[in-house]
Amino acid sequence: DTAVSQTPKYLVTQMGNDKSIKCEQNLGHDTMYWYKQDSKKFLKIMFSYNNKELIINETVPNRFSPKSPDKAHLNLHINSLELGDSAVYFCAAGSSERYNEQFFGPGTRLTVL
Amino acid sequence: DAKTTQPPSMDCAEGRAANLPCNHSTISGNEYVYWYRQIHSQGPQYIIHGLKNNETNEMASLIITEDRKSSTLILPHATLRDTAVYYCIVRGVSGNTPLVFGKGTRLSVIA
Repeated sequence: DTAVSQTPKYLVTQMGNDKSIKCEQNLGHDTMYWYKQDSKKFLKIMFSYNNKELIINETVPNRFSPKSPDKAHLNLHINSLELGDSAVYFCAAGSSERYNEQFFGPGTRLTVL
Repeated sequence: DAKTTQPPSMDCAEGRAANLPCNHSTISGNEYVYWYRQIHSQGPQYIIHGLKNNETNEMASLIITEDRKSSTLILPHATLRDTAVYYCIVRGVSGNTPLVFGKGTRLSVIA
């Protein structure tokens, strides 16, 4: 079974549209994250959620909003998409009680035309 | 910003040991050193982490200098599938601290 899954894998859309990316983890971890990898391959944290509370938001525009319907899911909603939003978005899961690994999903490649 | 410095790229012959260095001269006493890698188009993958002692697992070994200002990740017998970008990350003690990625080292394993 895949520990962290994301859908869709590819997303192509027009500027101004609203879209969502779904993330699910079956690890039972209490913290989930969204990272963005831009065209220059830099990976940066966007959000982390712990027990359904947003605990970090790294200067991300408010067009981006994470939504967690339950502990196993952290979906990313993006409103009014812009060209600069084109990137690969990775979801990850980890445990706040452990110092070790975060498990990453396979990524969603978003292309805004 | 990342608190680590790594060479941008390295080559390694298949079957030989790959030694990837990392400088983290401003590391705090309660911060760990983590290593992740990203194989092309995939999500980052955890490799190993350590505080001050050397660590070994089925994937790699981590050697941390006594002053903790630098470390080396060792892949003992590199294969073509080890070609990836390797990230050295310094991370605080809070278990839910996100990872701050630098530019990493692109390791190319050559047949």
